[in-house]
Amino acid sequence: QSVLTQPPSASGTPGQNLTVSCSGSGSNIGSNNVYWYQQFPGTAPKVLIYNNNKRPSGVPDRFSGSKSGTSASLAISGLRSEDEADYFCAAWDDSLSVVIGGGTKVTVL
Amino acid sequence: QVQLVQSGAGAEVKKTGASLKVSCKTSGYTFTGYFIHWVRQAPGQGLEWVGRINPSSGVTNYAQKFRDRVTMTRDTSITTVDMELRNLRYDDTAMYYCARHKDGLDVWGQGTTVIVSS
Repeated sequence: QSVLTQPPSASGTPGQNLTVSCSGSGSNIGSNNVYWYQQFPGTAPKVLIYNNNKRPSGVPDRFSGSKSGTSASLAISGLRSEDEADYFCAAWDDSLSVVIGGGTKVTVL
Repeated sequence: QVQLVQSGAGAEVKKTGASLKVSCKTSGYTFTGYFIHWVRQAPGQGLEWVGRINPSSGVTNYAQKFRDRVTMTRDTSITTVDMELRNLRYDDTAMYYCARHKDGLDVWGQGTTVIVSS
């Protein structure tokens, strides 16, 4: 069981807006930065969002991150077929470890 | 360009109780400037953090569940980080990744497949 809680799946049609949630606690999300990763089958994960809401260069601005209290969200606006992937949230925990969500499989219908 | 290249061309097959050592050769950046993390992924499962090492100081942090079985070391002369996992169990079967932490885990190794069998 993961320390960070994500819904196992989410879906939407092309063009729709989609949000993936990530719930933690005061020792991780509540006091540290949140990261979001995208992973396609058979490939290594790729960082989508770092430090709660910052996008690395090359990541489309359709992806955005936010944090409030002990929860974080990844928003995908204008969903595209190529966004179909697994998404993981992660954060540093004050116990000196990284905690990762169980992952959300996003399906584009 | 920044690269992390892991050892193990194909799958590494290990017996239960054996030890595993995976190397992560880095290049293209200041080795001592960024932590290296190890993350694993069992077949069909999510990501699991194993631990991290500060290549500058050698200081490590490990996930609680691995603390008595894992050791991470670095060799600054060859800009390489090693991860050793001892007393392997069936549920250690997974893909093991090293990754650099800069703005998040921004560069990943190609992964090393580890299969633990009897």
